[in-house]
Amino acid sequence: SAVISQKPSRDICQRGTSLTIQCQVDSQVTMMFWYRQQPGQSLTLIATANQGSEATYESGFVIDKFPISRPNLTFSTLTVSNMSPEDSSIYLCSVGRGSGQPQHFGDGTRLSIL
Amino acid sequence: ILNVEQSPQSLHVQEGDSTNFTCSFPSSNFYALHWYRWETAKSPEALFVMTLNGDEKKKGRISATLNTKEGYSYLYIKGSQPEDSATYLCALQTSGSRLTFGEGTQLTVNP
Repeated sequence: SAVISQKPSRDICQRGTSLTIQCQVDSQVTMMFWYRQQPGQSLTLIATANQGSEATYESGFVIDKFPISRPNLTFSTLTVSNMSPEDSSIYLCSVGRGSGQPQHFGDGTRLSIL
Repeated sequence: ILNVEQSPQSLHVQEGDSTNFTCSFPSSNFYALHWYRWETAKSPEALFVMTLNGDEKKKGRISATLNTKEGYSYLYIKGSQPEDSATYLCALQTSGSRLTFGEGTQLTVNP
C-alpha cells in the first residue's frame, strides 16, 4: 500500500486566515481525494484532485473556499480559505488505485479555528 | 444524497466478548462496500472491500458479510481485545472511486 505523508498534523489558526495542507505519496497514483470530518459527523468527501485539470468538487464545497492543486501524480494540496470556527475539523487526503480497491489515507490534519 | 447508516453509534464491551455492528445502505447503484478501522491519532485503515452479494471476508478475529439485495453489511469481532478499540467506518461506493461514509461505530473494549 502507498505511504502517504500529510502535513501539518495539526494547527490552531485565527479566523479569516488560510491554511494549506500538503499530501505527498511515495508512488504515482491516479486518484487523490480530500475529506473532512467535522466533530460528530461522518467523513465527507470534499473533492477529487485531478492531475492536470481542475478538481471535482462535491455538492456543498466550492473552489473559492477549498482550492486544490495537483501538480503531479504524487502530490496535492488543499487550502482552507478565510477560515471560520465551522471549519474546525479533521482533514484527510486519500489515494485510490481503482474501483473495488481500498483507499489509503494520510494521518490527517486536525485544525482548530479560534 | 446517499444515506449510509451505522449502528450502534457506540459500544462498550468487555475483553473476550464477541460483538457485531451494522451498516445499512441503499441497494440501488451498488458497486462496493468498504470497512475501515480508525484509531485515535492514526489514519483510517482498510479492513475489507466487498462487491458480491453474499460475500464473506475474514481477517484474523474480524469478519464481515454483505447483503446487497437488502442493503446491509455486518462486521463481527470475535473475542474482543483492548487493541480493537477504535471507530469502525463503512463506506458505500456507487461509481468511480467516490465513497460515502457512515458516521461510524465507536468501539471501546474494557480490559
